[in-house]
Amino acid sequence: QKEVEQNSGPLSVPEGAIASLNCTYSDRGSQSFFWYRQYSGKSPELIMSIYSNGDKEDGRFTAQLNKASQYVSLLIRDSQPSDSATYLCAPHSYNTDKLIFGTGTRLQVFP
Amino acid sequence: DADVTQTPRNRITKTGKRIMLECSQTKGHDRMYWYRQDPGLGLRLIYYSFDVKDINKGEISDGYSVSRQAQAKFSLSLESAIPNQTALYFCATSPLGGGSYNEQFFGPGTRLTVL
Repeated sequence: QKEVEQNSGPLSVPEGAIASLNCTYSDRGSQSFFWYRQYSGKSPELIMSIYSNGDKEDGRFTAQLNKASQYVSLLIRDSQPSDSATYLCAPHSYNTDKLIFGTGTRLQVFP
Repeated sequence: DADVTQTPRNRITKTGKRIMLECSQTKGHDRMYWYRQDPGLGLRLIYYSFDVKDINKGEISDGYSVSRQAQAKFSLSLESAIPNQTALYFCATSPLGGGSYNEQFFGPGTRLTVL
């Protein structure tokens, strides 16, 4: 079992729709979780962080966390073509005190 | 000004050459990391440093070495470059501490090609 699992995609959604990106992780001790956006050939950019069960909203982005299910998700409302990128899920590992990055989900938003 | 800078941004070199990639940060963070990224393989940790006197190997350290010259500077060296080290290399920093301070901030990356 991978430490962090994400569907590689591509996930294709029409402009204006909600994009839902999912991530599961294996380290039950993880307490903080991060979502990064990465455009092709560019560096990862932190877009969301979440530490408690439930939802956290920031503009068009909502992060959802369920520690019991070891599941974290990112919702992007009113998706725009500029949201087309790869989204990396990164739980903080309690055991190693480092971020563990998933391989990412590629999102394509078409006009 | 960028908080995390990497030099060079692009480098083409030949097999067997020694290469140094440099990373500097103005964020005042104690922790620094070097990753490489290959298509389909995601980010893989090469080395990391939690403070100036602390250097640790990551999951793919063979063929690489690092130097933490100061809190703000962390260099990655390829002693004898080989073609399968062709990749995109990222430096990242994070604050010292747990809880909400685990996020990492990335430099712009160095695209390295070994011929």
